[in-house]
Amino acid sequence: TQLLEQSPQFLSIQEGENLTVYCNSSSVFSSLQWYRQEPGEGPVLLVTVVTGGEVKKLKRLTFQFGDARKDSSLHITAAQPGDTGLYLCAGLTSGTYKYIFGTGTRLKVLA
Amino acid sequence: DVKVTQSSRYLVKRTGEKVFLECVQDMDHENMFWYRQDPGLGLRLIYFSYDVKMKEKGDIPEGYSVSREKKERFSLILESASTNQTSMYLCASTQTSPETQYFGPGTRLLVL
Repeated sequence: TQLLEQSPQFLSIQEGENLTVYCNSSSVFSSLQWYRQEPGEGPVLLVTVVTGGEVKKLKRLTFQFGDARKDSSLHITAAQPGDTGLYLCAGLTSGTYKYIFGTGTRLKVLA
Repeated sequence: DVKVTQSSRYLVKRTGEKVFLECVQDMDHENMFWYRQDPGLGLRLIYFSYDVKMKEKGDIPEGYSVSREKKERFSLILESASTNQTSMYLCASTQTSPETQYFGPGTRLLVL
């Protein structure tokens, strides 16, 4: 079974700090997605990366797909309380419909 | 505005009961998924369907079955609920891969 390990599992930081969340696997993915989930809701897509080495920016969030397409990172600059939530990465293997989800990183940003 | 709805937000059932969870999407998507979400385990795929009446097992199909009689509706069935099926159940849909998965709000199921 393919696994996607996320680290850290929990993160509590002060408003204004920077942070990085990692998503690692021994498997190669054709694309990788990042989602944010708030309490009582389903995950919502933030970004999809498809090319090895690709970097995408979404305001204060920067996403990178590893060169070998086995890992990814999410960097948040100057975190705000509104960034609080569960961050999930999900990898898709070429030729399948199945998304493999990471174990999740629960972020809390304190005002 | 795209929408995936799930029949219940919270359910409490007894061990041995048959449980139906329904999911409806209004985006004419081909693919629909059922996941369960447990702390520290992320989302695990139970079943998915890529067309009406077509289904494939995910990673943890034991104890579950599914039905997709209409394109917009995907049902998850727990034939005989057990306490280890207490979890958050999430439904999702996509048009094609690697498109955005649109998730419903989830059903939190407690089996006593």
